[in-house]
Amino acid sequence: SQKIEQNSEALNIQEGKTATLTCNYTNYSPAYLQWYRQDPGRGPVFLLLIRENEKEKRKERLKVTFDTTLKQSLFHITASQPADSATYLCALGGSARQLTFGSGTQLTVLP
Amino acid sequence: SQTIHQWPATLVQPVGSPLSLECTVEGTSNPNLYWYRQAAGRGLQLLFYSVGIGQISSEVPQNLSASRPQDRQFILSSKKLLLSDSGFYLCAWSKGPAQANYGYTFGSGTRLTVV
Repeated sequence: SQKIEQNSEALNIQEGKTATLTCNYTNYSPAYLQWYRQDPGRGPVFLLLIRENEKEKRKERLKVTFDTTLKQSLFHITASQPADSATYLCALGGSARQLTFGSGTQLTVLP
Repeated sequence: SQTIHQWPATLVQPVGSPLSLECTVEGTSNPNLYWYRQAAGRGLQLLFYSVGIGQISSEVPQNLSASRPQDRQFILSSKKLLLSDSGFYLCAWSKGPAQANYGYTFGSGTRLTVV
């Protein structure tokens, strides 16, 4: 069955550093991958989408890579700030109309 | 602009009682609609999705049902709640069928506690 794993449930980094979150998947060939941010008690908010034929996508301080050979996506936040503290979810999509979500990584940026 | 409304925000219900959660979308037509449940510290579990009025697909057979009586209205129901139904319920919509170009827009969620 399809499986999505996001690295370590919690990640703590110092303000100003680059946060790197990992999303690995097995038994799946997604056509695209999405990243979401979720704050406590709120619904996830869409951040970025990357397609299988794209290697890298950037949006302001965010960068996503997608390696279909390694079956892995990396999500980077450069010059991290305490306001970036949240849970980040990756989600995979394909021919089906629905997304499959990972369990998320809780990021804490320490001042 | 498109908005999604989900209510209530919190709900405490006794075991065996019925449930009705409502979700409406504004500013778009023929959206794909989804109900997800999120257990504490867990990922999102897809419960139901709908690509049109009266068209419901169930991902996980359980104590819940969904209906789409209007294009932009999606309802999650149960006739008799179980303790295991407790969780954070999220409604979402996406543009269809070109959803690969867009992310999902989620509602603010309903925290359901079954006691």
